[in-house]
Amino acid sequence: GQQVMQIPQYQHVQEGEDFTTYCNSSTTLSNIQWYKQRPGGHPVFLIQLVKSGEVKKQKRLTFQFGEAKKNSSLHITATQTTDVGTYFCDTGKLIFGQGTTLQVKP
Amino acid sequence: ETGVTQTPRHLVMGMTNKKSLKCEQHLGHNAMYWYKQSAKKPLELMFVYNFKEQTENNSVPSRFSPECPNSSHLFLHLHTLQPEDSALYLCASSQGTRLAKNIQYFGAGTRLSVL
Repeated sequence: GQQVMQIPQYQHVQEGEDFTTYCNSSTTLSNIQWYKQRPGGHPVFLIQLVKSGEVKKQKRLTFQFGEAKKNSSLHITATQTTDVGTYFCDTGKLIFGQGTTLQVKP
Repeated sequence: ETGVTQTPRHLVMGMTNKKSLKCEQHLGHNAMYWYKQSAKKPLELMFVYNFKEQTENNSVPSRFSPECPNSSHLFLHLHTLQPEDSALYLCASSQGTRLAKNIQYFGAGTRLSVL
C-alpha cells in the first residue's frame, strides 16, 4: 500500500531562520494537502496542491508539489513564534504523514 | 471555530465503562471521519462515512462502534476499552470524499483517558 514519509520529525530553529518540511510518497499522488496543528489544538487545513510542479504561496509559507507528483515541501521564510506546531501532509487518500513538529526559539 | 463540534472535550473512563463521543458539523458536508491521534504517531483514520454510509473501516477493533444517523452527526460508541486506547479522538468532515472535495475540517477533539 501507499506509504508516506515526512521529514524531519522535529525541527528547532531560532526565530528568523527558515524552515522546510518534506513529504515523500511511495506512489504517484493525485493531490496533496497540508495541515497545521498548534500545540493542544486540532489540524487546520492550509493548502491543497493538484498540478505537477505547482507552487503556491501564503505570506511566508511556500508550498511545492514535485514534478513527478510523489513529493511535496512546505517552506517557511523567517520563522516566527506563531509558526510553532506540527505540520502534516495528507495524500488526499486520507493517509497522513507523521508530521514535522516545529519549535521556534525567540 | 471550524464548524465541527465535538463533545465531550475530555473523558476519563474505566475499562468496563460504556461511553459515546459525539460530533456535529454545521458545514453542510456529506462526509464525516473519525481519527485517532496518539503521541508520536501519525493521524490514524478509523472510519469514513459518506452520505451516512460507512465507506471505510480501517481494521478498527470492535470495541469502537461508529454510528452516523445523518450527514451532520457522527458518534463513536466505546465499550471495554484498553489503556492503550487513550488518545485524542478527532472528528472531521468534508464536502465529499473525491479529489478536491476532500479538504477536511477538524473538530477540537476528545481527549480520552482509559484507566
